[in-house]
Formats: sequence, structure tokens, C-alpha cells
Amino acid sequence: DIVMTQSPDSLAVSLGERATIHCKSSQSLLFSPNHKNYLAWYQQKPGQPPKLLFYWASTRASGVPDRFIGSGSGTDFTLTISSLQAEDVAVYYCQQHSKGPLTFGAGSKVEI
Amino acid sequence: QVQLQESGPGLVKPSQTLSLTCTVSGASISSGGYYWNWIRQHPGKGLEWIGYMFDSGIVYYNPSLGSRVTISADMSTNRLSLRLTSVTTADTAVYFCAVGEEYWFDYWGQGALVTVSS
Repeated sequence: DIVMTQSPDSLAVSLGERATIHCKSSQSLLFSPNHKNYLAWYQQKPGQPPKLLFYWASTRASGVPDRFIGSGSGTDFTLTISSLQAEDVAVYYCQQHSKGPLTFGAGSKVEI
Repeated sequence: QVQLQESGPGLVKPSQTLSLTCTVSGASISSGGYYWNWIRQHPGKGLEWIGYMFDSGIVYYNPSLGSRVTISADMSTNRLSLRLTSVTTADTAVYFCAVGEEYWFDYWGQGALVTVSS
């Protein structure tokens, strides 16, 4: 199985400041023929299901604000919230969509 | 807009079978082209993918669950089902159904909490 390791487990960021979450995969998620990285990001608020933020590592899902930025390639990926808003308080998960079984990181909690 | 709603018993006894249903609206399971998934989340923990059904019949399960899991669909009612046999307390979790056109999850249900306890 591909193991997804997220860091940090939690972080506290002031409103308007930048939040950065890292995700590392145990195998490369880059598929050379199409130059795509098979990584997704989700946001989960308390009592809610996860919400898709990105797929292909950096393709923003519909309706996701542009303060959210997905980047990285190969085995190292980053989710950046460029200017944290109160509604961004949540747990964020990465997920590899390269090969089965599909696996998630353990989550990173963003607080103010 | 695809909408998903899980339903089923909230309490299951150890060694028995967990059965959940996901009612789908806004899309047809029989139309093909979508991956219909079950995912679970243990209390206060992360996410575990259980398996998917694709093109109305192709299934792929997480090997960690062995032969205990079955995903099926009733095309006449547009419902996805999950069966997990021989449950233990380790199967206590919130169970989500989720769907996507690829191997990520665009739409999720609200989730159903299943507690395994005698």
C-alpha cells in the first residue's frame, strides 16, 4: 500500500496569515506519460463529510477559493492557505489516487 | 448536483453483519462512468477507503478488510449497499458513501455512525 504521511499533525495560524500543510507519499504519485500527480486534498469540518479541494495535486475543485493552493510533485506535496479565514478551521487530508487500495494521510488540523 | 444519503442500523452486535444503504439522487448508478465508494472514519480518527463499484458491476475492495466486505447496487431503486460480515468493535465508525469520476471523491453523503457493541 502507498503510505501517506502528513505534517504537522496540527497548526495554529493567525487570521490572514499563511498556513502550510505537507504530505509525503511512500511511492511517487507522478505518472510520466501524462505528467500528472495522482494526489487529492480534502477539507473536513466538525460533523461534516470531507469536501474535495484538489485533485491531480493542483487542480482546484469547483467552488474552492483561490486562497487555497495545491502544489508539489513526485512524493512531496503541499497545501497552502495563503490568507487564513475563520471558516478554514478544519482538518485537511491528502489522498493518493494512483493505485489501489486508495489511501489517506492521517490529517492535519488547522486552528486559529 | 449529486446527493447521497446513508442509512442503516446504528448498532450492530459483534460477529454479526453490518448492512448500510446509500440512496443516490442526481445521478444514476446504472449509467456508468462513476466510481461508487464506501469510506469509513473511526471515531476521532482518519479516513479508510473500503472499496468501490464501477460501471454497475466491477468491484474493488481494500485488502485490509479481506473477504468480509461486499459492495452492490440496486439499479431499480438507485441505491448502493455495503455489507461487512463478522464485525468487531474495531468496525465502529462513521460510514460514508462517496462518488467520483476518477479515483477521488467529488460528492459525499453525510455519513452514518455504526457502533458495534453487545
